[in-house]
Amino acid sequence: SQKIEQNSEALNIQEGKTATLTCNYTNYSPAYLQWYRQDPGRGPVFLLLIRENEKEKRKERLKVTFDTTLKQSLFHITASQPADSATYLCALDKGGGADGLTFGKGTHLIIQP
Amino acid sequence: EAGVAQSPRYKIIEKRQSVAFWCNPISGHATLYWYQQILGQGPKLLIQFQNNGVVDDSQLPKDRFSAERLKGVDSTLKIQPAKLEDSAVYLCASTLRDSLSQAFFGQGTRLTVV
Repeated sequence: SQKIEQNSEALNIQEGKTATLTCNYTNYSPAYLQWYRQDPGRGPVFLLLIRENEKEKRKERLKVTFDTTLKQSLFHITASQPADSATYLCALDKGGGADGLTFGKGTHLIIQP
Repeated sequence: EAGVAQSPRYKIIEKRQSVAFWCNPISGHATLYWYQQILGQGPKLLIQFQNNGVVDDSQLPKDRFSAERLKGVDSTLKIQPAKLEDSAVYLCASTLRDSLSQAFFGQGTRLTVV
């Protein structure tokens, strides 16, 4: 069956360091992968989209990689700040012509000052 | 630009009662989605509309859940009768065209079934 796994439910990182979050998937052939940020009591907020033919994408302090052979995406936040503390969700297109998103459970990132 | 509006923000009902949620997407967005997010989980797609037609409702429990999008704008999601396991946050999202476009989410409606 199709599965999306995000590493560890919680990740503690010291301020200023690079946070790396992992998203692994099985039994999918996604055309693209997206990353969202979700704060408590709020809806997810779009961060980045990377297509299957793209290896890497950057936006300010954010970087996403997409390895379709390993079936894995890595999400990096460089020079992390306490304000980056949130839950980060990866999402894949459903495929098969329907384009709704399938989300992982998310990784709760805590940046400690 | 106004965001996706949802109401109510919170709702508490007893099991077997009915409840309805409302969503107003961003103006001009053709695609609207309803997601269910159970505590500690990622959002799960319930139904997708393209304008006022249903594109995907494969994960909608149709014996108790229904949704409509009249005139291709606002949408309502209804649960009747509610079960305890329906307790969750119900999120509405919209995209300009499809999910290759950035998805904008509302704040959600937190439903508690007691």
